[in-house]
Amino acid sequence: KQEVTQIPAALSVPEGENLVLNCSFTDSAIYNLQWFRQDPGKGLTSLLLIQSSQREQTSGRLNASLDKSSGRSTLYIAASQPGDSATYLCAVERLTGGGNKLTFGTGTQLKVEL
Amino acid sequence: DTGVSQDPRHKITKRGQNVTFRCDPISEHNRLYWYRQTLGQGPEFLTYFQNEAQLEKSRLLSDRFSAERPKGSFSTLEIQRTEQGDSAMYLCASSPVGWKGRGVGELFFGEGSRLTVL
Repeated sequence: KQEVTQIPAALSVPEGENLVLNCSFTDSAIYNLQWFRQDPGKGLTSLLLIQSSQREQTSGRLNASLDKSSGRSTLYIAASQPGDSATYLCAVERLTGGGNKLTFGTGTQLKVEL
Repeated sequence: DTGVSQDPRHKITKRGQNVTFRCDPISEHNRLYWYRQTLGQGPEFLTYFQNEAQLEKSRLLSDRFSAERPKGSFSTLEIQRTEQGDSAMYLCASSPVGWKGRGVGELFFGEGSRLTVL
């Protein structure tokens, strides 16, 4: 059974700091990995999707890397801003057995302070 | 607005009552998913449709839960005889056909329907 773990569970940083969020998964037979952002009481917004054949994806100040062999992904946020405050979730889609479903981690709650 | 919409956004009900949630996906997306999220946890997969066909259901989806997508457009999720443990955010998402016709592809979520069972 795939398990997804995110560390840290919560993080508070001053504005402007660069930061790294970590995601690990137990089964490396994945099809892709996605990072999502969730604001309190809201739905999820897709940030980056990395196919299993890719090593990283970038969008603006965000960069996500994937190391399938070690079962890890990192989300790098450059020059953090208060508007980045949210919960960040990673999710993996398994490679075989059908399903077309994502297994999510429990998220990292980020607070960027002025 | 061309995103995924869910209705109602909030529902408070008494234990034992039935509730129904509706999801309207992005119009050109043929895949529709239902997830459930409890406080402090990540979403958990419940079920998904490709067009009108329900292709997979999680073990989390007990016989009190039923989901439909009758014409391959909007979907409904009904919970019968609600229990306090059903209190959660119910999230709907849609996606186009994934890369090379499989996989989730990028997932677009609605704002969710929060259920509170008293």
